Amino acid sequence: AQSVTQLGSHVSVSEGALVLLRCNYSSSVPPYLFWYVQYPNQGLQLLLKYTSAATLVKGINGFEAEFKKSETSFHLTKPSAHMSDAAEYFCAVSDTGANSKLTFGKGITLSVRP
Amino acid sequence: DAMVIQNPRYQVTQFGKPVTLSCSQTLNHNVMYWYQQKSSQAPKLLFHYYDKDFNNEADTPDNFQSRRPNTSFCFLDIRSPGLGDAAMYLCATSRAILSGRATDTQYFGPGTRLTVL
Repeated sequence: AQSVTQLGSHVSVSEGALVLLRCNYSSSVPPYLFWYVQYPNQGLQLLLKYTSAATLVKGINGFEAEFKKSETSFHLTKPSAHMSDAAEYFCAVSDTGANSKLTFGKGITLSVRP
Repeated sequence: DAMVIQNPRYQVTQFGKPVTLSCSQTLNHNVMYWYQQKSSQAPKLLFHYYDKDFNNEADTPDNFQSRRPNTSFCFLDIRSPGLGDAAMYLCATSRAILSGRATDTQYFGPGTRLTVL
């Protein structure tokens, strides 16, 4: 069984500050890992994904994440926060087996202060 | 642009009155999913279609049904909506990448927000 842990429900940063959103996963097989962003009353938009290629993954809007197998982590970072980054962020894990499904974390709300 | 479209974006229904939500896609993906997302929660998978093969999650209430008449369209029917069914309903698609039915990245539509009065 797979699971995702996103500690905390809310992160607040100042505009221009580093964004760090944490994600730890549990999977019995090599996982695929994803970060999605959700703006109010919108669907989920894919930010980036890890599928066993490079461990440092670059995504859209300046975000990146690093897969660390030893720490079972896939933390999302952005060097400089922008007001438009304020949203809900979901980490998700999928196995690569038959009928693979996404298991989502609880999500983290990112606020950006002027 | 290829995309996942959901109509309507906002739906209001009365307690017990059947309602249908629709999803269409131009990605030509063979897998389509329906999720329920309640306020401040993660999306919860209700069911998915792998081509015409319907796969129901064990804890999805019987009140929720789905139809997929062709590759492009998928419908979510709520037979007798209750107040607890008020939520955002998300449709997603992906393509199968292996003969063993593993699937690729899921792409989501904008969602339909359902209000039950």
